[in-house]
Amino acid sequence: QQQVKQSPQSLIVQKGGISIINCAYENTAFDYFPWYQQFPGKGPALLIAIRPDVSEKKEGRFTISFNKSAKQFSLHIMDSQPGDSATYFCAAKRTDSWGKLQFGAGTQVVVTP
Amino acid sequence: NAGVTQTPKFRILKIGQSMTLQCTQDMNHNYMYWYRQDPGMGLKLIYYSVGAGITDKGEVPNGYNVSRSTTEDFPLRLELAAPSQTSVYFCASSFAGGEDTGELFFGEGSRLTVL
Repeated sequence: QQQVKQSPQSLIVQKGGISIINCAYENTAFDYFPWYQQFPGKGPALLIAIRPDVSEKKEGRFTISFNKSAKQFSLHIMDSQPGDSATYFCAAKRTDSWGKLQFGAGTQVVVTP
Repeated sequence: NAGVTQTPKFRILKIGQSMTLQCTQDMNHNYMYWYRQDPGMGLKLIYYSVGAGITDKGEVPNGYNVSRSTTEDFPLRLELAAPSQTSVYFCASSFAGGEDTGELFFGEGSRLTVL
């Protein structure tokens, strides 16, 4: 049972374009929503995260938008660069649990020159 | 800074063989985890530990065992390898306490193939 649903499975964007990845969750007991970035042959690494009391968080070219009522959150990559080509995972953590993240299925992003 | 170190990076097993994936971290993190990653499935939690001597099952524990005798080490054992255990395994650690978010730090993974 996938508690965090992520889409699309893959996307191709031109350099300078905007990449948008969406996630939806079912469990209202989640209280922390991180995004992890994974390069080929490496482990995932935390990219950016948000808590449900905030509707948007921006760090450089990366922005999380959070819609608590719709139980959806998304990652926007502005001015996409070839170095952003990676797999991105959204995740969610339950309030009663440290670190036990529920991950989405992942989105492979390819940024073409 | 070594962070989380996993060995081996690659391994091929025959059905029925056993092996142990090693994981060690040098960040003095109290929480450690084992995830498996399959194409299009994201990461699934196998086992986790909140401290030395304490372990618990995650979403997909069947066919695996763990132990946590020290803060640094968290080995994952496969007793009777099956083709369904072909996957990439990631060990991770985090510090839980205070206002910390519990960010997970991952190793580089161990790719296991069972034939």
